[in-house]
Amino acid sequence: DIVMTQSPDSLAVSLGERATINCKSSQSILYSSNNNNYLAWYQQKPGQPPKLLIYWASTRESGVPDRFSGSGSGTDFTLTISSLQAEDVAVYYCQQYYNRVTFGQGTRLEIK
Amino acid sequence: EVQLVESGGGLVQPGGSLRLSCAASGFTFSSHWMSWVRQAPGKGLEWVAYIKQDGSETHYVDSVKGRFTMSRDNAKNSLYLQMNSLGVEDTAVYFCARGYTGFVFFDFWGQGTLVTVSS
Repeated sequence: DIVMTQSPDSLAVSLGERATINCKSSQSILYSSNNNNYLAWYQQKPGQPPKLLIYWASTRESGVPDRFSGSGSGTDFTLTISSLQAEDVAVYYCQQYYNRVTFGQGTRLEIK
Repeated sequence: EVQLVESGGGLVQPGGSLRLSCAASGFTFSSHWMSWVRQAPGKGLEWVAYIKQDGSETHYVDSVKGRFTMSRDNAKNSLYLQMNSLGVEDTAVYFCARGYTGFVFFDFWGQGTLVTVSS
Protein backbone atom coordinates (compact mmCIF):
# COMPACT_ATOMS: atom_id res chain seq x y z
CA ASP A 1 0.00 0.00 0.00
CA ILE A 2 1.06 3.56 -0.63
CA VAL A 3 1.83 5.41 2.59
CA MET A 4 1.10 9.13 2.74
CA THR A 5 3.08 11.17 5.26
CA GLN A 6 2.18 14.77 6.04
CA SER A 7 4.33 17.40 7.69
CA PRO A 8 4.07 19.07 10.04
CA ASP A 9 1.49 17.38 12.26
CA SER A 10 0.37 20.81 13.46
CA LEU A 11 1.00 24.35 12.37
CA ALA A 12 0.25 27.79 13.81
CA VAL A 13 0.22 30.73 11.43
CA SER A 14 -0.72 34.38 11.90
CA LEU A 15 -3.75 35.77 10.13
CA GLY A 16 -2.84 36.99 6.67
CA GLU A 17 0.34 34.94 6.54
CA ARG A 18 1.15 31.96 4.34
CA ALA A 19 0.53 28.41 5.50
CA THR A 20 2.29 25.47 3.87
CA ILE A 21 1.49 21.79 4.41
CA ASN A 22 3.55 19.02 2.88
CA CYS A 23 2.58 15.53 1.82
CA LYS A 24 4.94 12.77 0.71
CA SER A 25 3.95 9.48 -0.86
CA SER A 26 5.96 6.27 -0.43
CA GLN A 27 5.97 5.79 -4.20
CA SER A 28 5.25 7.94 -7.20
CA ILE A 29 1.57 8.72 -7.78
CA LEU A 30 2.19 10.25 -11.18
CA TYR A 31 0.42 8.22 -13.85
CA SER A 32 2.67 8.46 -16.88
CA SER A 33 -0.01 7.76 -19.48
CA ASN A 34 -1.93 10.94 -18.67
CA ASN A 35 0.71 12.90 -16.73
CA ASN A 36 -1.67 13.33 -13.78
CA ASN A 37 -0.75 13.12 -10.14
CA TYR A 38 -3.42 11.15 -8.31
CA LEU A 39 -3.53 13.35 -5.23
CA ALA A 40 -6.33 15.24 -3.49
CA TRP A 41 -6.49 17.60 -0.52
CA TYR A 42 -9.34 17.93 1.97
CA GLN A 43 -10.25 20.33 4.75
CA GLN A 44 -12.11 19.10 7.81
CA LYS A 45 -13.57 21.38 10.45
CA PRO A 46 -14.76 20.07 13.83
CA GLY A 47 -18.00 18.13 13.67
CA GLN A 48 -18.11 18.26 9.88
CA PRO A 49 -17.27 15.81 7.10
CA PRO A 50 -14.21 16.53 4.99
CA LYS A 51 -14.48 18.98 2.13
CA LEU A 52 -12.64 18.50 -1.16
CA LEU A 53 -10.26 21.37 -1.89
CA ILE A 54 -7.85 20.20 -4.58
CA TYR A 55 -7.58 17.21 -6.92
CA TRP A 56 -5.06 16.13 -9.55
CA ALA A 57 -2.61 17.75 -7.12
CA SER A 58 -3.32 21.27 -8.34
CA THR A 59 -6.90 21.59 -9.63
CA ARG A 60 -9.04 23.65 -7.29
CA GLU A 61 -12.55 22.33 -6.66
CA SER A 62 -15.37 24.66 -7.69
CA GLY A 63 -16.14 27.23 -5.02
CA VAL A 64 -12.83 26.87 -3.19
CA PRO A 65 -11.17 30.27 -2.59
CA ASP A 66 -8.14 30.96 -4.75
CA ARG A 67 -5.95 31.46 -1.69
CA PHE A 68 -5.79 27.64 -1.64
CA SER A 69 -3.36 26.11 -4.10
CA GLY A 70 -1.74 22.73 -4.62
CA SER A 71 1.57 21.88 -6.18
CA GLY A 72 4.09 19.08 -6.57
CA SER A 73 4.59 15.95 -8.60
CA GLY A 74 5.72 12.37 -8.23
CA THR A 75 6.10 11.85 -4.49
CA ASP A 76 6.22 15.35 -3.00
CA PHE A 77 3.25 17.66 -2.76
CA THR A 78 2.29 20.91 -1.06
CA LEU A 79 -0.92 22.64 -0.07
CA THR A 80 -0.49 26.38 0.32
CA ILE A 81 -2.87 28.89 1.83
CA SER A 82 -1.57 32.23 0.63
CA SER A 83 -3.18 34.46 3.24
CA LEU A 84 -4.63 32.67 6.24
CA GLN A 85 -8.17 33.55 7.24
CA ALA A 86 -9.85 32.67 10.53
CA GLU A 87 -12.21 30.27 8.77
CA ASP A 88 -9.26 28.21 7.52
CA VAL A 89 -8.65 26.74 10.98
CA ALA A 90 -9.13 23.02 10.34
CA VAL A 91 -7.38 19.72 9.86
CA TYR A 92 -6.06 19.14 6.35
CA TYR A 93 -5.59 15.73 4.74
CA CYS A 94 -3.91 14.59 1.57
CA GLN A 95 -5.18 11.47 -0.20
CA GLN A 96 -3.75 9.35 -2.98
CA TYR A 97 -6.02 7.54 -5.43
CA TYR A 98 -3.34 6.04 -7.65
CA ASN A 99 -3.60 2.59 -6.06
CA ARG A 100 -6.72 2.12 -4.01
CA VAL A 101 -6.98 4.95 -1.46
CA THR A 102 -4.88 6.13 1.44
CA PHE A 103 -4.96 9.33 3.46
CA GLY A 104 -2.21 11.20 5.20
CA GLN A 105 -2.41 11.42 8.97
CA GLY A 106 -3.64 15.02 8.88
CA THR A 107 -2.19 18.44 9.72
CA ARG A 108 -3.90 20.63 12.27
CA LEU A 109 -3.80 24.31 11.31
CA GLU A 110 -4.33 26.95 13.97
CA ILE A 111 -4.05 30.70 14.33
CA LYS A 112 -0.90 32.03 15.99
CA GLU B 1 -28.73 19.24 -4.37
CA VAL B 2 -26.47 16.28 -3.72
CA GLN B 3 -27.30 14.53 -0.46
CA LEU B 4 -25.81 11.49 1.22
CA VAL B 5 -27.50 10.34 4.42
CA GLU B 6 -26.02 7.51 6.44
CA SER B 7 -27.94 5.38 8.90
CA GLY B 8 -27.59 2.18 10.85
CA GLY B 9 -24.90 3.09 13.33
CA GLY B 10 -25.14 2.29 17.00
CA LEU B 11 -23.69 0.35 19.88
CA VAL B 12 -22.72 -3.26 19.24
CA GLN B 13 -20.78 -5.81 21.27
CA PRO B 14 -17.43 -7.14 20.12
CA GLY B 15 -17.96 -9.95 17.65
CA GLY B 16 -21.31 -8.54 16.59
CA SER B 17 -22.63 -7.31 13.27
CA LEU B 18 -24.11 -4.12 11.92
CA ARG B 19 -25.36 -2.96 8.54
CA LEU B 20 -24.88 0.63 7.50
CA SER B 21 -26.90 2.29 4.77
CA CYS B 22 -26.39 5.45 2.75
CA ALA B 23 -29.28 7.05 0.88
CA ALA B 24 -28.19 9.15 -2.06
CA SER B 25 -30.14 11.83 -3.87
CA GLY B 26 -29.65 14.79 -6.16
CA PHE B 27 -27.38 13.08 -8.67
CA THR B 28 -27.18 10.04 -10.95
CA PHE B 29 -26.10 7.51 -8.36
CA SER B 30 -25.30 4.78 -10.89
CA SER B 31 -22.65 6.97 -12.54
CA HIS B 32 -20.32 7.21 -9.54
CA TRP B 33 -17.89 5.07 -7.65
CA MET B 34 -18.94 5.22 -3.99
CA SER B 35 -16.94 4.71 -0.85
CA TRP B 36 -17.01 4.32 2.90
CA VAL B 37 -14.44 6.23 4.92
CA ARG B 38 -14.20 6.05 8.70
CA GLN B 39 -12.78 8.21 11.43
CA ALA B 40 -12.08 6.89 14.90
CA PRO B 41 -12.74 9.38 17.72
CA GLY B 42 -10.08 12.10 17.64
CA LYS B 43 -8.19 10.37 14.83
CA GLY B 44 -7.64 10.81 11.13
CA LEU B 45 -9.47 9.55 8.08
CA GLU B 46 -9.24 5.91 7.05
CA TRP B 47 -10.57 4.64 3.76
CA VAL B 48 -12.61 1.45 4.27
CA ALA B 49 -13.95 0.35 0.88
CA TYR B 50 -15.18 1.49 -2.50
CA ILE B 51 -17.46 0.04 -5.14
CA LYS B 52 -17.69 0.50 -8.87
CA GLN B 53 -20.69 2.13 -10.51
CA ASP B 54 -22.40 -1.16 -11.40
CA GLY B 55 -21.33 -2.99 -8.26
CA SER B 56 -19.11 -5.39 -10.20
CA GLU B 57 -15.92 -4.40 -8.40
CA THR B 58 -15.17 -3.71 -4.76
CA HIS B 59 -11.95 -2.96 -2.90
CA TYR B 60 -11.29 -3.01 0.83
CA VAL B 61 -8.62 -1.87 3.23
CA ASP B 62 -6.74 -4.92 4.48
CA SER B 63 -8.00 -4.53 8.07
CA VAL B 64 -11.63 -5.19 7.07
CA LYS B 65 -11.19 -7.78 4.30
CA GLY B 66 -13.26 -10.87 5.00
CA ARG B 67 -15.32 -9.06 7.65
CA PHE B 68 -16.96 -6.18 5.78
CA THR B 69 -18.98 -6.33 2.56
CA MET B 70 -19.90 -3.27 0.57
CA SER B 71 -22.80 -3.34 -1.87
CA ARG B 72 -25.14 -1.01 -3.69
CA ASP B 73 -28.64 -0.96 -5.12
CA ASN B 74 -28.76 1.50 -7.98
CA ALA B 75 -32.53 1.13 -8.30
CA LYS B 76 -32.87 2.42 -4.74
CA ASN B 77 -29.97 4.90 -4.89
CA SER B 78 -28.54 3.20 -1.85
CA LEU B 79 -25.19 2.06 -0.58
CA TYR B 80 -24.57 -0.53 2.13
CA LEU B 81 -21.82 -1.76 4.39
CA GLN B 82 -22.33 -5.09 6.11
CA MET B 83 -19.92 -5.29 9.03
CA ASN B 84 -19.32 -8.62 10.76
CA SER B 85 -16.94 -9.75 13.52
CA LEU B 86 -16.69 -6.22 14.79
CA GLY B 87 -13.87 -5.29 17.13
CA VAL B 88 -13.25 -2.26 19.32
CA GLU B 89 -10.86 -1.01 16.64
CA ASP B 90 -13.85 -0.56 14.31
CA THR B 91 -15.33 2.12 16.55
CA ALA B 92 -15.59 5.21 14.37
CA VAL B 93 -17.81 7.60 12.50
CA TYR B 94 -18.48 6.03 9.11
CA PHE B 95 -18.86 8.44 6.20
CA CYS B 96 -20.43 7.66 2.87
CA ALA B 97 -18.62 9.54 0.10
CA ARG B 98 -19.20 10.05 -3.61
CA GLY B 99 -16.36 9.48 -6.00
CA TYR B 100 -15.71 12.18 -8.55
CA THR B 101 -16.92 10.89 -11.92
CA GLY B 102 -14.73 7.92 -12.80
CA PHE B 103 -12.27 8.35 -9.97
CA VAL B 104 -11.96 7.71 -6.26
CA PHE B 105 -11.40 11.07 -4.77
CA PHE B 106 -14.46 12.33 -3.02
CA ASP B 107 -16.42 15.43 -3.86
CA PHE B 108 -19.44 14.92 -1.59
CA TRP B 109 -19.65 13.38 1.86
CA GLY B 110 -22.46 12.48 4.20
CA GLN B 111 -22.52 13.64 7.82
CA GLY B 112 -21.55 10.19 9.04
CA THR B 113 -22.99 7.59 11.39
CA LEU B 114 -21.29 6.54 14.61
CA VAL B 115 -20.48 2.89 15.24
CA THR B 116 -19.41 2.03 18.77
CA VAL B 117 -18.08 -1.43 19.51
CA SER B 118 -18.03 -2.04 23.22
CA SER B 119 -19.04 -4.58 25.81
